[in-house]
Amino acid sequence: GQQLNQSPQSMFIQEGEDVSMNCTSSSIFNTWLWYKQDPGEGPVLLIALYKAGELTSNGRLTAQFGITRKDSFLNISASIPSDVGIYFCAGLEYGNKLVFGAGTILRVKS
Amino acid sequence: EPEVTQTPSHQVTQMGQEVILRCVPISNHLYFYWYRQILGQKVEFLVSFYNNEISEKSEIFDDQFSVERPDGSNFTLKIRSTKLEDSAMYFCASSDFSPVTQYFGPGTRLTVL
Repeated sequence: GQQLNQSPQSMFIQEGEDVSMNCTSSSIFNTWLWYKQDPGEGPVLLIALYKAGELTSNGRLTAQFGITRKDSFLNISASIPSDVGIYFCAGLEYGNKLVFGAGTILRVKS
Repeated sequence: EPEVTQTPSHQVTQMGQEVILRCVPISNHLYFYWYRQILGQKVEFLVSFYNNEISEKSEIFDDQFSVERPDGSNFTLKIRSTKLEDSAMYFCASSDFSPVTQYFGPGTRLTVL
């Protein structure tokens, strides 16, 4: 099956800093999504990307779908303590199956 | 805001026992899913369900697993004879007419002893 590689695996940043994480795949996905998971909770959809090159924002979050449809990045501006959590990229495979990356753990130092 | 609910939040069982994990998807949704997440690992797709039948399943979803929508509101995952390696968080998700916007429940933590 298709694999998604996320980097970095974890980050520890100062409150107020901008954050960037990315995700790559060896195969093409038609739809790319970014989720956040808080401890003990299910993943929550942050941003969905549908078109190659698409740049989409959701508040302090910005994500872009790579031109080749094999990569995406997520930026968080001016991080705050509640941004702590695990961020997953996911690709929508044929049909309705989501393939998740391994996640980026974000820790924010206040 | 409508949400997916799951019960129980934590299930402990002995190896070889049957377990049923329950989910109540968002009421007007048409697609239902089960995913699992082994501790510290990524979320993995198990199965999708539409129009009262399985539409897709992964290689993890073997004969020990089954899903059912016994009535108009519940969606269940049954594991017939649990193994130690079945210990994980199991997430239910649902979506309306688009599989993109899948809403996840809070999960059931299954511990097999």
